[in-house]
Amino acid sequence: RKEVEQDPGPFNVPEGATVAFNCTYSNSASQSFFWYRQDCRKEPKLLMSVYSSGNEDGRFTAQLNRASQYISLLIRDSKLSDSATYLCVVTLFNDYKLSFGAGTTVTVRA
Amino acid sequence: DAGVTQSPTHLIKTRGQQVTLRCSPKSGHDTVSWYQQALGQGPQFIFQYYEEEERQRGNFPDRFSGHQFPNYSSELNVNALLLGDSALYLCASSLLRESGPEQYFGPGTRLTVT
Repeated sequence: RKEVEQDPGPFNVPEGATVAFNCTYSNSASQSFFWYRQDCRKEPKLLMSVYSSGNEDGRFTAQLNRASQYISLLIRDSKLSDSATYLCVVTLFNDYKLSFGAGTTVTVRA
Repeated sequence: DAGVTQSPTHLIKTRGQQVTLRCSPKSGHDTVSWYQQALGQGPQFIFQYYEEEERQRGNFPDRFSGHQFPNYSSELNVNALLLGDSALYLCASSLLRESGPEQYFGPGTRLTVT
């Protein structure tokens, strides 16, 4: 079983729509969770950390469900510039190794 | 403030050759990790260097080796290249924060093995 699994998509949504997708992780000892964004042929960039209580950053909301071992990302009022691959990332406490999912592709159309 | 830099940007090598990739971490960071990203996959952890020592290693063969210098910059060496080594190689430097380790990635080196 893979450490981190994501729905690959693609999710094709119109501008202004809300899109949400999940990621599951297999190691119950995982402590830190992140969403990274990767544009085509570019490096991954940190989008947001995911806290136990859930957190928002502008139009982006991340949730963590430890009992079911999944993380979610919701994007409200989608913009064309949100088109990217979103990588779910999990790590153990004080462990610098990042375990990535294969990514969920989101395409926002005009 | 310079971010993570990598060189070269692109590289084409032949099977059996050896390659060296270079990385300079973000200012103030002392830990460097290397990842391999094949097309359509997420990055896979190769190894991590801290205080010039390999601190942690992923599931990669011994053909993959590295080095960290006193100025925290790092090299990734791959011997006896295989076609399957074709990928984007990413370097990331680390800063430990309250929410856990966050890593900042360089632009990567795209390696093509023919």
